Amino acid sequence: GESVGLHLPTLSVQEGDNSIINCAYSNSASDYFIWYKQESGKGPQFIIDIRSNMDKRQGQRVTVLLNKTVKHLSLQIAATQPGDSAVYFCAEIYNTDKLIFGTGTRLQVFP
Amino acid sequence: DARVTQTPRDKVTEMGQEVTMRCQPILGHNTVFWYRQTMMQGLELLAYFRNRAPLDDSGMPKDRFSAEMPDATLATLKIQPSEPRDSAVYFCASGIGQGRAFFGQGTRLTVV
Repeated sequence: GESVGLHLPTLSVQEGDNSIINCAYSNSASDYFIWYKQESGKGPQFIIDIRSNMDKRQGQRVTVLLNKTVKHLSLQIAATQPGDSAVYFCAEIYNTDKLIFGTGTRLQVFP
Repeated sequence: DARVTQTPRDKVTEMGQEVTMRCQPILGHNTVFWYRQTMMQGLELLAYFRNRAPLDDSGMPKDRFSAEMPDATLATLKIQPSEPRDSAVYFCASGIGQGRAFFGQGTRLTVV
């Protein structure tokens, strides 16, 4: 199956700090990107999305940045909370609606 | 709340047995995905459907896996015969065209 998985990088941050999670996507033709959050024992949950004609989009406490030149996405979480602890995945859509996930990043928030 | 429903939540089976996993997509969604998640491979796309037609099943081992949508409210993923290496969590997700996909809680499959 298509995926980029393997060894899960981990980001450890202190509660209240900002978090930045990075993702490199694979296909320059991808035109829609999504960040998902996955908590233990649950399915991935939508956080925020961005289309390729944008370079920044903001949600509640989260911001996604897209750099198409270097095929890079980032997810910024402001004032990180213990409830933000999870694995975060970026996903790209190409060929109309084929949703491919990138490598996850584990976010650990400590007091 | 509308949600994707997967059954069973957990399945333990013996090697060689047939396994069927079921998914009820969110009403009105026309795209359905099947993913497999393992520690080693992350989230792998196995197959996906649009308007019940299979668009891509290149991620599935064809000799033992099959995915179908008998109707708009049911998607199935079958493994026959199952093998220990099939042990994983299988997720179904549904969406509308090119948009966010909503995931079910997954089926944890253990083949012994």
